[in-house]
Amino acid sequence: NAGVMQNPRHLVRRRGQEARLRCSPMKGHSHVYWYRQLPEEGLKFMVYLQKENIIDESGMPKERFSAEFPKEGPSILRIQQVVRGDSAAYFCASSTDRVGNSPLHFGNGTRLTVT
Amino acid sequence: DQQVKQNSPSLSVQEGRISILNCDYTNSMFDYFLWYKKYPAEGPTFLISISSIKDKNEDGRFTVFLNKSAKHLSLHIVPSQPGDSAVYFCAGREGSQGNLIFGKGTKLSVKP
Repeated sequence: NAGVMQNPRHLVRRRGQEARLRCSPMKGHSHVYWYRQLPEEGLKFMVYLQKENIIDESGMPKERFSAEFPKEGPSILRIQQVVRGDSAAYFCASSTDRVGNSPLHFGNGTRLTVT
Repeated sequence: DQQVKQNSPSLSVQEGRISILNCDYTNSMFDYFLWYKKYPAEGPTFLISISSIKDKNEDGRFTVFLNKSAKHLSLHIVPSQPGDSAVYFCAGREGSQGNLIFGKGTKLSVKP
């Protein structure tokens, strides 16, 4: 897990604020996935990105959520105007290729708490 | 609509015995299945995978079996060790984009 770096590990935001979650994939990995885990739930796919491109955002809420993976720098998951229901663990994962050809490597997650 | 179901939220096994974790799926388009292990406050760690064209894959103490006709797979851990105590997630890969659909997990406790 040490290879995929996520920060911050814990993030507390008040309702209405913005949350920015960062993910640095493993070296050499160009595929990034974001997953969300609600309490007592499994991991839910949110978005799949390759460098500078969003490949699939079918799991992303239509409003307030956005993601990017710029040519330089980490991938960012941005949540605007957070609400209590956004409280969850957000996991980033990376791979060299599409899943199955090479497995996903997960970071240790960012735990977002909205007060 | 849960495409991947892990119907047992928890499982307790004695050290040295076999652990069998089960997973059912509904999506016929899954072409790859993976098992991940997760410790508290950490991200999931890849354990073992299987292609839909195979029915068994083995890696050390871990074996995954796939029954496509029943849309069922299982993970066998033998012998089980206390360090195997964790939450185990089953996942199916959906199509060429490579998104993983996860089950809710099964918490395995291996008692010394």
